[in-house]
Amino acid sequence: GNSVTQMEGPVTLSEEAFLTINCTYTATGYPSLFWYVQYPGEGLQLLLKATKADDKGSNKGFEATYRKETTSFHLEKGSVQVSDSAVYFCALTMMDSSYKLIFGSGTRLLVRP
Amino acid sequence: GAGVSQSPSNKVTEKGKDVELRCDPISGHTALYWYRQSLGQGLEFLIYFQGNSAPDKSGLPSDRFSAERTGGSVSTLTIQRTQQEDSAVYLCASSLVGGPETQYFGPGTRLLVL
Repeated sequence: GNSVTQMEGPVTLSEEAFLTINCTYTATGYPSLFWYVQYPGEGLQLLLKATKADDKGSNKGFEATYRKETTSFHLEKGSVQVSDSAVYFCALTMMDSSYKLIFGSGTRLLVRP
Repeated sequence: GAGVSQSPSNKVTEKGKDVELRCDPISGHTALYWYRQSLGQGLEFLIYFQGNSAPDKSGLPSDRFSAERTGGSVSTLTIQRTQQEDSAVYLCASSLVGGPETQYFGPGTRLLVL
């Protein structure tokens, strides 16, 4: 079946460090890919998305490129801030009748000052 | 405009009781989803409504779970004879239409079954 695998957390970085959170997917067709973020005490928010191969999603300094050849959608940010501390979820939807989001297990990011 | 709202925000119930959770989607959104976020299972899909089509119930974990959507807007998720393993945060999301459109999530209902 369709699934998403994320790197285990927590990831602990110092402020201004470079961030990569790995995400790979397994899908029988051509998914759309998403990164959602959950800040402490808040609900899930869409961070960025890409709907076809080679698309790059970007928002708030975060980027992720849809790589069909490696079935990956790694999240990157060049310089993290304390305010980026949150749980990040990689997810996909398929072009079938339901379009339900299939989530990875989430990666907790802690940025220290 | 207003986002997705859910009520109650917290619910504590005793094992064996029934509970109803409510979701008000963003106005004009035809697609509505329920998800569950629990420690053991992560974030998992429960059910999907799209307009007047038959809902996709493939994620409901047992026949104790049901959901309806009245008038194409408000949705209610009902859990009958609650069990301790039902304790979780229940999230509702809506999108303009089905498909790869962005799903907007509500704040969730935290359910604790004692």
